Amino acid sequence: QLQLQESGPGLVKPSETLSLTCTVSGDSISSSNSYWAWIRQSSGMGLEWIGTLYYSGNIYYNPSLKSRLTISVDTSKSQVSLSLRSVTAADTSVYFCARGNYREGAFDVWGQGTLVTVSS
Amino acid sequence: DIQMTQSPSSLSASIGDRVTIACRASQNIGSHLNWYQQKPGKAPELLIYAADKLQSGVPLRFSGGGSGTDFTLTISSLRPEDVATYYCQQSYSTVMCTFGQGTKLEI
Repeated sequence: QLQLQESGPGLVKPSETLSLTCTVSGDSISSSNSYWAWIRQSSGMGLEWIGTLYYSGNIYYNPSLKSRLTISVDTSKSQVSLSLRSVTAADTSVYFCARGNYREGAFDVWGQGTLVTVSS
Repeated sequence: DIQMTQSPSSLSASIGDRVTIACRASQNIGSHLNWYQQKPGKAPELLIYAADKLQSGVPLRFSGGGSGTDFTLTISSLRPEDVATYYCQQSYSTVMCTFGQGTKLEI
């Protein structure tokens, strides 16, 4: 059974870089059935798509975050990583990683999410 | 960008009621529309994909409909465990994924 687990610091200082990893278990991160996304949610707010890494290697970012954002994959570690530079309090959110299923065209497996607070 | 607009933003209903949530896309997205349920403190869960296909394990009281720009999520008979926030999401654009703002369902 596919499982996703986000990890990383829970507290980041303003202007620094937020770095998170999503560890994939139960299936190959290189599966042609899958693509991988980061999605965040500020307290009491809706879901905000951050970016998606496709099997082809193409990566698409939310234009509002693109200049600060890098998403990458380490297949040897079965991890998808997120790096968000120059963070502010507005980046305080619960960050989710999710698996997209090509057959369904939807995010069918989600991690539990990890809260990142930006504060000095 | 494709904008997704849900209505209503919040909804109060009684046990056993039939509940319908609407989602409108700013352009034609065919059937590339998914619905998620999110309970407090939890990650979202996929309910419906491709507008009307029930995800495995999801109760049959949930159904989806629509195509083009207008979509609905219907709960045929509301149960207490259905209290949650529901989100639609378009998967038409691979370049830019967008979610609706959510509909909070209360009993």
